[in-house]
Amino acid sequence: GAGVSQTPSNKVTEKGKYVELRCDPISGHTALYWYRQSLGQGPEFLIYFQGTGAADDSGLPNDRFFAVRPEGSVSTLKIQRTERGDSAVYLCASSLTSGRPPNNEQFFGPGTRLTVL
Amino acid sequence: GNSVTQMEGPVTLSEEAFLTINCTYTATGYPSLFWYVQYPGEGLQLLLKATKADDKGSNKGFEATYRKETTSFHLEKGSVQVSDSAVYFCALLRNFGNEKLTFGTGTRLTIIP
Repeated sequence: GAGVSQTPSNKVTEKGKYVELRCDPISGHTALYWYRQSLGQGPEFLIYFQGTGAADDSGLPNDRFFAVRPEGSVSTLKIQRTERGDSAVYLCASSLTSGRPPNNEQFFGPGTRLTVL
Repeated sequence: GNSVTQMEGPVTLSEEAFLTINCTYTATGYPSLFWYVQYPGEGLQLLLKATKADDKGSNKGFEATYRKETTSFHLEKGSVQVSDSAVYFCALLRNFGNEKLTFGTGTRLTIIP
């Protein structure tokens, strides 16, 4: 079946602009995760949804970052007033559910490379 | 908090050499442990996993054993190939309500023919 998909694959924007990054999880997966991977680093957790609600948003760096998942499937990560330091690859993952292995195994999408000029 | 310490790279080996990439972790409870691989130009893929102590994960000739006594999950392969050139990430997942994966910084592996 189809894996996690993310659009766009690349996004170039100017400092101060607003961007939206989209994630389509694997069908039937109730849990969805966003991570950010800076150059030369491992992915860092941003936010996790169980269904429609954000169960843990402790990784969002500041209030310019916001994410939604209104129908419990597709999610959008929104970044306001982008800064050059926001440049990174934004990864989305989904899992069947949360809590107990193996159902909480996370499957990753290809990522969106965001460049802020 | 949770953390993963991974062997720094880059690592360069000749084809058919033996590979070890060290990974140690700090976490409370009983996390699941993972190795992810990122091939050039591709997304993050799960390579192998272990969900409890003494479990051995294996895939594509790679192995790693979950050692609770040494809090380690070292990645090994007996004979590497050029196609194994990639960046390898060790990661842990706390389970049961703390769902964020914590990753190491990654180890870039290059295999020379």
